[in-house]
Amino acid sequence: AQSVTQPDIHITVSEGASLELRCNYSYGATPYLFWYVQSPGQGLQLLLKYFSGDTLVQGIKGFEAEFKRSQSSFNLRKPSVHWSDAAEYFCAVGYGGATNKLIFGTGTLLAVQP
Amino acid sequence: GAGVSQSPRYKVAKRGQDVALRCDPISGHVSLFWYQQALGQGPEFLTYFQNEAQLDKSGLPSDRFFAERPEGSVSTLKIQRTQQEDSAVYLCASGDTRGANEQYFGPGTRLTVT
Repeated sequence: AQSVTQPDIHITVSEGASLELRCNYSYGATPYLFWYVQSPGQGLQLLLKYFSGDTLVQGIKGFEAEFKRSQSSFNLRKPSVHWSDAAEYFCAVGYGGATNKLIFGTGTLLAVQP
Repeated sequence: GAGVSQSPRYKVAKRGQDVALRCDPISGHVSLFWYQQALGQGPEFLTYFQNEAQLDKSGLPSDRFFAERPEGSVSTLKIQRTQQEDSAVYLCASGDTRGANEQYFGPGTRLTVT
Protein backbone atom coordinates (compact mmCIF):
# COMPACT_ATOMS: atom_id res chain seq x y z
CA ALA A 1 0.00 0.00 0.00
CA GLN A 2 1.11 3.52 -0.68
CA SER A 3 2.47 5.36 2.34
CA VAL A 4 4.51 8.39 3.30
CA THR A 5 6.91 8.53 6.23
CA GLN A 6 8.20 11.67 7.85
CA PRO A 7 10.56 10.35 10.51
CA ASP A 8 11.06 13.63 12.34
CA ILE A 9 8.03 14.68 14.34
CA HIS A 10 9.59 17.87 15.69
CA ILE A 11 12.70 19.80 14.61
CA THR A 12 14.20 22.94 16.12
CA VAL A 13 16.71 25.03 14.19
CA SER A 14 18.29 28.40 14.79
CA GLU A 15 17.36 31.30 12.58
CA GLY A 16 19.79 31.49 9.69
CA ALA A 17 20.73 27.81 9.90
CA SER A 18 20.09 25.36 7.11
CA LEU A 19 17.15 22.97 7.19
CA GLU A 20 16.42 19.52 5.81
CA LEU A 21 13.12 17.75 6.40
CA ARG A 22 13.01 14.10 5.47
CA CYS A 23 10.31 12.29 3.54
CA ASN A 24 10.24 8.70 2.34
CA TYR A 25 7.45 7.16 0.34
CA SER A 26 6.26 3.77 -0.70
CA TYR A 27 4.64 3.73 -4.12
CA GLY A 28 4.63 1.28 -6.99
CA ALA A 29 5.01 3.71 -9.86
CA THR A 30 6.62 7.07 -10.49
CA PRO A 31 4.95 9.24 -7.90
CA TYR A 32 3.67 12.75 -7.91
CA LEU A 33 5.31 14.31 -4.84
CA PHE A 34 4.38 17.41 -2.91
CA TRP A 35 5.43 19.43 0.09
CA TYR A 36 2.82 21.54 1.88
CA VAL A 37 3.17 23.94 4.80
CA GLN A 38 0.48 24.56 7.40
CA SER A 39 0.57 27.49 9.80
CA PRO A 40 -1.66 27.42 12.91
CA GLY A 41 -5.30 27.84 11.96
CA GLN A 42 -4.49 27.91 8.28
CA GLY A 43 -5.04 25.55 5.41
CA LEU A 44 -2.28 23.83 3.53
CA GLN A 45 -0.13 25.90 1.21
CA LEU A 46 1.76 24.18 -1.59
CA LEU A 47 5.52 24.78 -1.37
CA LEU A 48 6.62 22.71 -4.35
CA LYS A 49 5.83 19.65 -6.41
CA TYR A 50 7.57 17.00 -8.49
CA PHE A 51 5.89 15.31 -11.41
CA SER A 52 8.76 14.41 -13.72
CA GLY A 53 11.98 15.77 -15.20
CA ASP A 54 14.64 17.52 -13.18
CA THR A 55 14.87 15.84 -9.82
CA LEU A 56 15.77 19.07 -8.01
CA VAL A 57 12.71 21.28 -7.79
CA GLN A 58 12.47 24.83 -6.59
CA GLY A 59 9.51 26.12 -4.68
CA ILE A 60 8.23 29.22 -3.00
CA LYS A 61 9.80 30.93 0.01
CA GLY A 62 13.30 29.72 -0.92
CA PHE A 63 12.55 26.01 -0.46
CA GLU A 64 13.81 23.23 -2.69
CA ALA A 65 13.44 19.46 -2.71
CA GLU A 66 15.27 16.62 -4.37
CA PHE A 67 13.63 13.45 -5.66
CA LYS A 68 15.86 10.39 -5.24
CA ARG A 69 14.23 7.36 -6.76
CA SER A 70 16.88 4.95 -5.44
CA GLN A 71 16.16 6.05 -1.88
CA SER A 72 12.41 6.63 -2.32
CA SER A 73 12.96 10.03 -0.80
CA PHE A 74 11.85 13.59 -1.41
CA ASN A 75 13.62 15.70 1.20
CA LEU A 76 12.84 19.37 1.64
CA ARG A 77 15.69 21.86 2.12
CA LYS A 78 16.24 25.51 2.79
CA PRO A 79 19.72 27.07 3.09
CA SER A 80 18.80 29.72 5.66
CA VAL A 81 15.72 29.51 7.84
CA HIS A 82 13.70 32.57 8.82
CA TRP A 83 11.58 32.85 11.97
CA SER A 84 8.49 33.00 9.78
CA ASP A 85 9.20 29.46 8.55
CA ALA A 86 8.02 28.03 11.87
CA ALA A 87 5.05 25.84 10.92
CA GLU A 88 4.12 22.25 10.24
CA TYR A 89 5.35 20.67 7.03
CA PHE A 90 3.65 17.80 5.25
CA CYS A 91 5.00 15.59 2.50
CA ALA A 92 2.40 13.98 0.24
CA VAL A 93 2.21 11.48 -2.58
CA GLY A 94 -0.35 11.83 -5.35
CA TYR A 95 -2.14 8.54 -5.79
CA GLY A 96 -2.58 9.07 -9.52
CA GLY A 97 -5.31 7.41 -11.51
CA ALA A 98 -8.73 8.92 -11.79
CA THR A 99 -8.75 10.76 -8.51
CA ASN A 100 -5.16 11.59 -7.61
CA LYS A 101 -6.05 11.73 -3.96
CA LEU A 102 -3.12 12.72 -1.81
CA ILE A 103 -1.57 10.50 0.84
CA PHE A 104 0.08 12.59 3.51
CA GLY A 105 2.79 11.93 6.03
CA THR A 106 2.18 12.72 9.67
CA GLY A 107 4.02 16.02 9.43
CA THR A 108 7.13 17.64 10.89
CA LEU A 109 6.69 20.55 13.25
CA LEU A 110 9.44 23.11 12.75
CA ALA A 111 10.40 25.50 15.53
CA VAL A 112 12.85 28.33 14.85
CA GLN A 113 15.03 29.71 17.65
CA PRO A 114 16.16 33.33 17.50
CA GLY B 1 -8.84 35.59 -7.35
CA ALA B 2 -10.51 34.13 -4.29
CA GLY B 3 -9.22 30.88 -2.92
CA VAL B 4 -11.12 27.96 -1.47
CA SER B 5 -13.40 29.00 1.35
CA GLN B 6 -15.03 26.88 4.01
CA SER B 7 -17.75 27.56 6.52
CA PRO B 8 -18.18 27.51 9.37
CA ARG B 9 -14.57 27.77 10.48
CA TYR B 10 -15.43 26.29 13.86
CA LYS B 11 -18.30 24.05 14.84
CA VAL B 12 -19.15 22.57 18.22
CA ALA B 13 -21.73 19.81 18.19
CA LYS B 14 -23.19 17.68 20.91
CA ARG B 15 -22.81 13.98 20.36
CA GLY B 16 -25.67 12.72 18.25
CA GLN B 17 -26.28 15.98 16.40
CA ASP B 18 -26.07 16.29 12.64
CA VAL B 19 -23.66 18.81 11.10
CA ALA B 20 -23.16 20.23 7.63
CA LEU B 21 -19.85 21.67 6.47
CA ARG B 22 -19.67 23.82 3.36
CA CYS B 23 -16.91 24.23 0.80
CA ASP B 24 -16.75 26.90 -1.90
CA PRO B 25 -14.03 25.86 -4.37
CA ILE B 26 -12.12 28.14 -6.66
CA SER B 27 -14.46 29.18 -9.45
CA GLY B 28 -14.31 26.84 -12.42
CA HIS B 29 -12.39 24.09 -10.67
CA VAL B 30 -13.51 20.69 -11.84
CA SER B 31 -12.11 18.60 -9.00
CA LEU B 32 -13.06 18.81 -5.35
CA PHE B 33 -11.67 16.79 -2.48
CA TRP B 34 -12.53 16.42 1.21
CA TYR B 35 -9.92 15.40 3.76
CA GLN B 36 -10.11 14.77 7.51
CA GLN B 37 -7.21 15.87 9.72
CA ALA B 38 -7.16 14.51 13.25
CA LEU B 39 -5.09 16.28 15.88
CA GLY B 40 -1.39 15.70 15.32
CA GLN B 41 -1.92 13.80 12.09
CA GLY B 42 -1.69 14.47 8.40
CA PRO B 43 -4.86 14.90 6.37
CA GLU B 44 -6.62 11.73 5.25
CA PHE B 45 -8.66 11.49 2.07
CA LEU B 46 -12.41 11.21 2.42
CA THR B 47 -14.00 11.70 -0.98
CA TYR B 48 -13.53 13.16 -4.48
CA PHE B 49 -15.86 14.88 -6.93
CA GLN B 50 -15.33 15.56 -10.59
CA ASN B 51 -17.90 18.25 -11.31
CA GLU B 52 -21.09 16.89 -9.73
CA ALA B 53 -20.08 13.23 -9.90
CA GLN B 54 -18.73 11.63 -6.76
CA LEU B 55 -16.10 9.35 -8.24
CA ASP B 56 -14.41 8.14 -5.08
CA LYS B 57 -15.84 7.87 -1.60
CA SER B 58 -13.53 5.18 -0.39
CA GLY B 59 -12.25 7.29 2.52
CA LEU B 60 -15.59 8.03 4.16
CA PRO B 61 -15.26 6.33 7.56
CA SER B 62 -18.88 5.28 7.97
CA ASP B 63 -22.31 5.62 6.46
CA ARG B 64 -22.87 8.55 8.80
CA PHE B 65 -20.71 10.61 6.43
CA PHE B 66 -22.28 11.93 3.25
CA ALA B 67 -21.02 14.44 0.71
CA GLU B 68 -22.67 16.13 -2.23
CA ARG B 69 -21.89 18.63 -4.96
CA PRO B 70 -25.17 18.90 -6.84
CA GLU B 71 -24.29 21.65 -9.30
CA GLY B 72 -20.61 20.94 -9.63
CA SER B 73 -19.47 23.91 -7.59
CA VAL B 74 -20.28 24.22 -3.86
CA SER B 75 -19.96 21.03 -1.84
CA THR B 76 -21.39 20.01 1.50
CA LEU B 77 -20.04 17.35 3.82
CA LYS B 78 -22.71 16.09 6.19
CA ILE B 79 -22.08 14.04 9.28
CA GLN B 80 -25.07 12.44 10.92
CA ARG B 81 -25.29 11.45 14.59
CA THR B 82 -21.85 12.87 15.35
CA GLN B 83 -19.51 10.91 17.61
CA GLN B 84 -16.51 12.11 19.59
CA GLU B 85 -14.16 10.41 17.16
CA ASP B 86 -15.47 12.70 14.43
CA SER B 87 -13.69 15.64 16.10
CA ALA B 88 -11.14 16.83 13.56
CA VAL B 89 -10.39 19.53 11.03
CA TYR B 90 -12.18 18.95 7.76
CA LEU B 91 -10.27 20.30 4.78
CA CYS B 92 -11.61 20.93 1.32
CA ALA B 93 -9.39 21.23 -1.74
CA SER B 94 -10.10 21.99 -5.37
CA GLY B 95 -8.19 21.59 -8.60
CA ASP B 96 -8.63 22.81 -12.15
CA THR B 97 -8.08 19.54 -13.95
CA ARG B 98 -9.63 16.12 -13.78
CA GLY B 99 -7.72 14.22 -11.13
CA ALA B 100 -6.18 17.57 -10.11
CA ASN B 101 -2.49 16.92 -9.70
CA GLU B 102 -2.28 20.22 -7.85
CA GLN B 103 -4.81 20.80 -5.12
CA TYR B 104 -5.60 24.13 -3.47
CA PHE B 105 -6.75 23.86 0.11
CA GLY B 106 -9.21 25.87 2.12
CA PRO B 107 -8.63 26.90 5.75
CA GLY B 108 -10.66 23.99 7.10
CA THR B 109 -13.54 23.58 9.52
CA ARG B 110 -12.61 22.53 13.03
CA LEU B 111 -15.34 20.24 14.36
CA THR B 112 -15.47 19.50 18.06
CA VAL B 113 -17.98 16.94 19.28
CA THR B 114 -18.73 17.14 22.99
